[in-house]
Amino acid sequence: KAGVTQTPRYLIKTRGQQVTLSCSPISGHRSVSWYQQTPGQGLQFLFEYFSETQRNKGNFPGRFSGRQFSNSRSEMNVSTLELGDSALYLCASSVSGRARDEQFFGPGTRLTVL
Amino acid sequence: AQKITQTQPGMFVQEKEAVTLDCTYDTSDPSYGLFWYKQPSSGEMIFLIYQGSYDQQNATEGRYSLNFQKARKSANLVISASQLGDSAMYFCAMRFAGFQKLVFGTGTRLLVSP
Repeated sequence: KAGVTQTPRYLIKTRGQQVTLSCSPISGHRSVSWYQQTPGQGLQFLFEYFSETQRNKGNFPGRFSGRQFSNSRSEMNVSTLELGDSALYLCASSVSGRARDEQFFGPGTRLTVL
Repeated sequence: AQKITQTQPGMFVQEKEAVTLDCTYDTSDPSYGLFWYKQPSSGEMIFLIYQGSYDQQNATEGRYSLNFQKARKSANLVISASQLGDSAMYFCAMRFAGFQKLVFGTGTRLLVSP
């Protein structure tokens, strides 16, 4: 069974640009969560989607948005990039989103904002 | 407030020895799950072990065991017979019933020496 895939793996953008990251969950998984990892703030929850609906949202500005498609694939968009958005963005999927469900993480997309 | 604390920024252990990585948590919610993840330098988060707040026995998964002391709100990870491949960052995380959001600690970097 294929794992969680994220594309692209590496990305370099300049301030003010926007970026879209993609996440394909494990087949059969309907819940997709996104996390931002930085040296200063650690791992922080961005949002979670289940069956194309955003169920939970972390404490991030509106520049960060996402969506989920009917095949459970998810995209995350960051508009008007800032230097502080440089981070590793991790996507995780789980079967149904129950508290006990294991979340399987992808390899991440490393975003550098210049 | 829901918080995970990992007080050991770095730990050193010799190959084949056991090591304990500390994790304490703070929550007033009676239903929660505790997770440990390993993050090698490649960036991917690898699930190691899970403990539910209502589980009566400590979780074990191969060389990994979780020393769960509910009254003290601690969930320490014990790695027996350390291997060189265990060198990585280790994160303790918590999740609550009904929510997919994982709250992570700051992590402990483990270095296993020959």
